[in-house]
Amino acid sequence: DTAVSQTPKYLVTQMGNDKSIKCEQNLGHDTMYWYKQDSKKFLKIMFSYNNKELIINETVPNRFSPKSPDKAHLNLHINSLELGDSAVYFCASSPFSGRTSEQYFGPGTRLTVT
Amino acid sequence: GESVGLHLPTLSVQEGDNSIINCAYSNSASDYFIWYKQESGKGPQFIIDIRSNMDKRQGQRVTVLLNKTVKHLSLQIAATQPGDSAVYFCAETYGNQFYFGTGTSLTVIP
Repeated sequence: DTAVSQTPKYLVTQMGNDKSIKCEQNLGHDTMYWYKQDSKKFLKIMFSYNNKELIINETVPNRFSPKSPDKAHLNLHINSLELGDSAVYFCASSPFSGRTSEQYFGPGTRLTVT
Repeated sequence: GESVGLHLPTLSVQEGDNSIINCAYSNSASDYFIWYKQESGKGPQFIIDIRSNMDKRQGQRVTVLLNKTVKHLSLQIAATQPGDSAVYFCAETYGNQFYFGTGTSLTVIP
């Protein structure tokens, strides 16, 4: 009965590789997000999708590309991984498009680039 | 005990004491605020929210206070318990944008 799930939980890879993180929510929410949390615990939004459409696209390198095949899934693909991409990536969902709505977070994916 | 958020300060309190975690937000136009709790190895979890037309809201053992004049938000936890040990984030929203503060790490001493 997991609300927001992410796979994998840990991802260790080398610089230059391409990797994907998957996210699924079974809450019936319309909006999903990707966040990056750095080593100092700072949480920064990267993307937001509402009903499969991109509504927030913060300034992130274009090596990061989200894909939403349906409103229950939002995957994150990262090309040409760099050391600075090492972080914990959180997926989240909310009933509405961000405003005046709490978000439900997944358990996170710890990405380590070596 | 008290703490100011924005550069991950730490706050240690004795079990049973009250905790106050502070947050300064950036945009006077922000109209909705949320406090999240993040336990080690987990994602943030909603605690309580408040809209800008209110200055106080109470939940179970938690109270959020909003001072729009000085753009300040606080989270008060009554009778702090070991399970309250976590990093606490405030988040502000305006339009479709929302931003998280850098968090405050709360440690409860048994």
